[in-house]
Amino acid sequence: DGGITQSPKYLFRKEGQNVTLSCEQNLNHDAMYWYRQDPGQGLRLIYYSQIVNDFQKGDIAEGYSVSREKKESFPLTVTSAQKNPTAFYLCASTTGGGTEAFFGQGTRLTVV
Amino acid sequence: RKEVEQDPGPFNVPEGATVAFNCTYSNSASQSFFWYRQDCRKEPKLLMSVYSSGNEDGRFTAQLNRASQYISLLIRDSKLSDSATYLCVVNRFLWYNNNDMRFGAGTRLTVKP
Repeated sequence: DGGITQSPKYLFRKEGQNVTLSCEQNLNHDAMYWYRQDPGQGLRLIYYSQIVNDFQKGDIAEGYSVSREKKESFPLTVTSAQKNPTAFYLCASTTGGGTEAFFGQGTRLTVV
Repeated sequence: RKEVEQDPGPFNVPEGATVAFNCTYSNSASQSFFWYRQDCRKEPKLLMSVYSSGNEDGRFTAQLNRASQYISLLIRDSKLSDSATYLCVVNRFLWYNNNDMRFGAGTRLTVKP
């Protein structure tokens, strides 16, 4: 079945540590996105990529980094520079042309 | 001003009630519009697309008013299973494969027996 997979589902990070969240899709979608959601809040865009080897900052990119070496994969690294990383992270993908977005099941990151 | 704004909610309604959510967007170049449903601690899932002519899917009706830059979602005969957060999504198609997709903060609905 085609879909978008995020891993891990739960992740714990120590202070000052970098962690990488995985996002893989087999939908042959060109565009991929990373969002952050805080309790009771909407989705805020961190980074997005419309094509391999290219990506753009979203509204809250500081403290995060991404890569897009393959069409299927768009990993997000939460760096130690992100001071408040505890949140629910969602990866999404779309085809071109303003179509609906498909989401992964999310990664819940907690700083311990 | 946020690009996409929704009623803050929460909405607490009895079973069988009719409830309406509103959403406004600021970018007049926006081209496609959606309502997503998000259950607690889960990912958002598409509920329905929104077309200029309005569209209906069972108990759900979505309307778009481009002149006023306004989208609505009407739920009739609410069920307990409708309890969720409803997200308004506005998409601007920039160029080939380049979409600018913006989410509202969501409106939480609780349907009570």
